[in-house]
Amino acid sequence: NAGVTQTPKFRILKIGQSMTLQCAQDMNHNYMYWYRQDPGMGLKLIYYSVGAGITDKGEVPNGYNVSRSTTEDFPLRLELAAPSQTSVYFCASTIAGGPTATDTQYFGPGTRLTVL
Amino acid sequence: AQKVTQAQTEISVVEKEDVTLDCVYETRDTTYYLFWYKQPPSGELVFLIRRNSFDEQNEISGRYSWNFQKSTSSFNFTITASQVVDSAVYFCALINSGGSNYKLTFGKGTLLTVNP
Repeated sequence: NAGVTQTPKFRILKIGQSMTLQCAQDMNHNYMYWYRQDPGMGLKLIYYSVGAGITDKGEVPNGYNVSRSTTEDFPLRLELAAPSQTSVYFCASTIAGGPTATDTQYFGPGTRLTVL
Repeated sequence: AQKVTQAQTEISVVEKEDVTLDCVYETRDTTYYLFWYKQPPSGELVFLIRRNSFDEQNEISGRYSWNFQKSTSSFNFTITASQVVDSAVYFCALINSGGSNYKLTFGKGTLLTVNP
């Protein structure tokens, strides 16, 4: 298994540009997540999905959109990039054992995004 | 609301010293899970341990050990005989079993530097 993969690894955007961060997992996990990591701040949840066709907002969703058309893929869209979105973005997935997703979340390698 | 506090922002030790990373958590739920992740300089997040709230047994894995104490809401992580390769940021995290079960709450991390 490749686990959780993310592309690209690095990207520089100009203010106002758009881009999609790709995330895929091959572990047949039903729950997927997007986090952002700012220096010294830990990770904060942007969006999550409990299965194909179902997404919901996390703590910091403004400026982002997601979709989940398949179990494997969970892309994150930035529509109008702003300097405040400069961060490292991590995708994660887990399998929900029973009614709650408390199993271990496995993370992708991250995408380092700079908005100038 | 749930919260994870890692009061030590940075720790610096000399190789072969033992070091303990502190983690204090807050949650209203009686059933929850605690995690430790390692983030080496390469940037990926590596899962280290998952512990549920009903299992207060300490755990040892090689040079790593974890001390879970519900009475003090702490889940501390000790590295014995530290090595340079242990240099990383270490994150403690918490997820509840009910309610906002999607939300993995991270501490801000502790940067451990092991000097040769």
